[in-house]
Amino acid sequence: SQQGEEDPQALSIQEGENATMNCSYKTSINNLQWYRQNSGRGLVHLILIRSNEREKHSGRLRVTLDTSKKSSSLLITASRAADTASYFCATNAGGTSYGKLTFGQGTILTVHP
Amino acid sequence: SQTIHQWPATLVQPVGSPLSLECTVEGTSNPNLYWYRQAAGRGLQLLFYSVGIGQISSEVPQNLSASRPQDRQFILSSKKLLLSDSGFYLCACKGQGSAPNTGELFFGEGSRLTVL
Repeated sequence: SQQGEEDPQALSIQEGENATMNCSYKTSINNLQWYRQNSGRGLVHLILIRSNEREKHSGRLRVTLDTSKKSSSLLITASRAADTASYFCATNAGGTSYGKLTFGQGTILTVHP
Repeated sequence: SQTIHQWPATLVQPVGSPLSLECTVEGTSNPNLYWYRQAAGRGLQLLFYSVGIGQISSEVPQNLSASRPQDRQFILSSKKLLLSDSGFYLCACKGQGSAPNTGELFFGEGSRLTVL
């Protein structure tokens, strides 16, 4: 079963606006990761935040993690049409999990030019 | 840098036919390898993972099997396909230089299987 659940399922915005996607999970984690998938393509890793971190930035991406609420958010600032894609959160349990990731259902982001 | 090759990219097969999807990795050695399946419009489900040659762990009981005959080769198979096997199959490995049990995954471009 999928641990991560993204919210919203779909998001439509105009270029230049910010996009915020949320992810909730159920069990304890070592880290949480966000991935991007263009239609019909493989997933591309965007950012990883460890369980002892609260916020992380990478370019126009900002990720927050609240382990007490078991939730994370991904903010894309000043969105571009090229940001149109599906975004997935994935959790890693660490330990003897052998690097397995549990993915959420994803948020479909559409950025209109 | 590492590269994952998956083939075929697209496959249309009749119910009851066999399946073989292949994944090969370049640019890294002794990687953890993973097969994920993605149903249309949904998230990824982990099917199998492997930490070494001949070592396969199954995550869900199903009609599929996996093998790892070489360090950088991972194969997904079925003897008789079901309609429910349709989906987008993604091979992944640990990112080069990433922590073995906690780092990011690097994905191939996927194989889209349609069972009719």
